[in-house]
Amino acid sequence: DTAVSQTPKYLVTQMGNDKSIKCEQNLGHDTMYWYKQDSKKFLKIMFSYNNKELIINETVPNRFSPKSPDKAHLNLHINSLELGDSAVYFCASSQASGFGTEAFFGQGTRLTVV
Amino acid sequence: GQNIDQPTEMTATEGAIVQINCTYQTSGFNGLFWYQQHAGEAPTFLSYNVLDGLEEKGRFSSFLSRSKGYSYLLLKELQMKDSASYLCAVRDSNYQLIWGAGTKLIIKP
Repeated sequence: DTAVSQTPKYLVTQMGNDKSIKCEQNLGHDTMYWYKQDSKKFLKIMFSYNNKELIINETVPNRFSPKSPDKAHLNLHINSLELGDSAVYFCASSQASGFGTEAFFGQGTRLTVV
Repeated sequence: GQNIDQPTEMTATEGAIVQINCTYQTSGFNGLFWYQQHAGEAPTFLSYNVLDGLEEKGRFSSFLSRSKGYSYLLLKELQMKDSASYLCAVRDSNYQLIWGAGTKLIIKP
C-alpha cells in the first residue's frame, strides 16, 4: 500500500494556466507538507499543515495555495503558472511536529511550464 | 540565516567505506535527519540523531556533535545500489526541517 501518494507524476502545461496536484496519505499522520525541489536539488518547504495550523513559507507566491478537505489530503493549487514554477513538487507527511518524527514523501510531481 | 552544508559530490569504490559530512547553522536544534534519494524518486528516511554520538543501523551509521554543528553519515561495504543523493536535514526551533542540497554519491566497481 502506498503511504503517501500524489498525482499526477508528470505535468506539462502552458504559462498562465491554473493547475492542481493532489496528495493523500494513509498513515494516519496529522501533519502534511508541500516541498519544492528545484534544479539545484534544494528541498524547500512551501507549506506545512495540521488540523490546527497552516504555516506558509513567506517566500512562496500567493499564486500557490494549499487546500485540505480532510486530515488525509493536502492538495496544491497553482494559479497563473510561470516558467520559474518548473520543478519537482513533493508532498510529505509526519506523525507530529515533534521529536524523532521523520517525514514520509510522495513520489513527486515533475511540473514543466512551457 | 539558516544554512546546511554538505559536499556536492563524492566518489567511492564498491566494497569500501565512505563518510559524508554535514555542517549546520540553524535557529535552534531539534534533531538531525539523513535521507537517501535515488534519481527521479522521493527521499527516504535513513537515520535520526538528537543526542551527541553515533547511531548505527546495519551498514549505515550517523554521528552528531551538537557543539560543533556537525554530523556525518558513514556507509560501509558499499554496494552499487548505494549510488544516490544523501540529504542532511535539521529540525529547527520551530520544528521545521531545513534541508541541505544533498551529496551525490557515485559508486564505481
